[in-house]
Amino acid sequence: KNEVEQSPQNLTAQEGEFITINCSYSVGISALHWLQQHPGGGIVSLFMLSSGKKKHGRLIATINIQEKHSSLHITASHPRDSAVYICAVLNRDDKIIFGKGTRLHILP
Amino acid sequence: DSGVTQTPKHLITATGQRVTLRCSPRSGDLSVYWYQQSLDQGLQFLIQYYNGEERAKGNILERFSAQQFPDLHSELNLSSLELGDSALYFCASSRPVAGGSYNEQFFGPGTRLTVL
Repeated sequence: KNEVEQSPQNLTAQEGEFITINCSYSVGISALHWLQQHPGGGIVSLFMLSSGKKKHGRLIATINIQEKHSSLHITASHPRDSAVYICAVLNRDDKIIFGKGTRLHILP
Repeated sequence: DSGVTQTPKHLITATGQRVTLRCSPRSGDLSVYWYQQSLDQGLQFLIQYYNGEERAKGNILERFSAQQFPDLHSELNLSSLELGDSALYFCASSRPVAGGSYNEQFFGPGTRLTVL
């Protein structure tokens, strides 16, 4: 079993829909990172969380340390949100472990 | 543009060869991280440097080595290359925050290595 699991693996939705991507982890962590990888390959950092909730524009990230779970939400989704979303955790040994990513496709 | 630069963008070489990938972090960032992304393994953490010193090590092969120079740029050296080393290699940088050891990372555009 991977130490960081994301679901779903693939998600196709219509423009305007509310999107939720989940990340569960099995190790103790110092922080959790949500990344976005565009079709061209570039990686952008979206959020870094160690507790609670963060919001940036239409993106919201939450983390529940007790349940070892984080969610990334996208409100009013748009075709330009189509990308791979990757969850990464920093474990207690300062090592970064990545999930396998969620491929999101928003249809116009 | 993240402010992190990587050269070269593309590299094609043969098995058994040695290559050097270069990364320049954002101005003021002391930490540099190297990652490998292959089709079958996804993103994997290789190694982290902080202000010239190795800070954390991930799944880095013995054939690979890295260093961070006094001007904070970093190089990843890959030797005795194998077909399976073909991948995207990303570097990222971050700056320290008060009271914490981890901060948001900014990724470079990556170097695509093809080993033939």
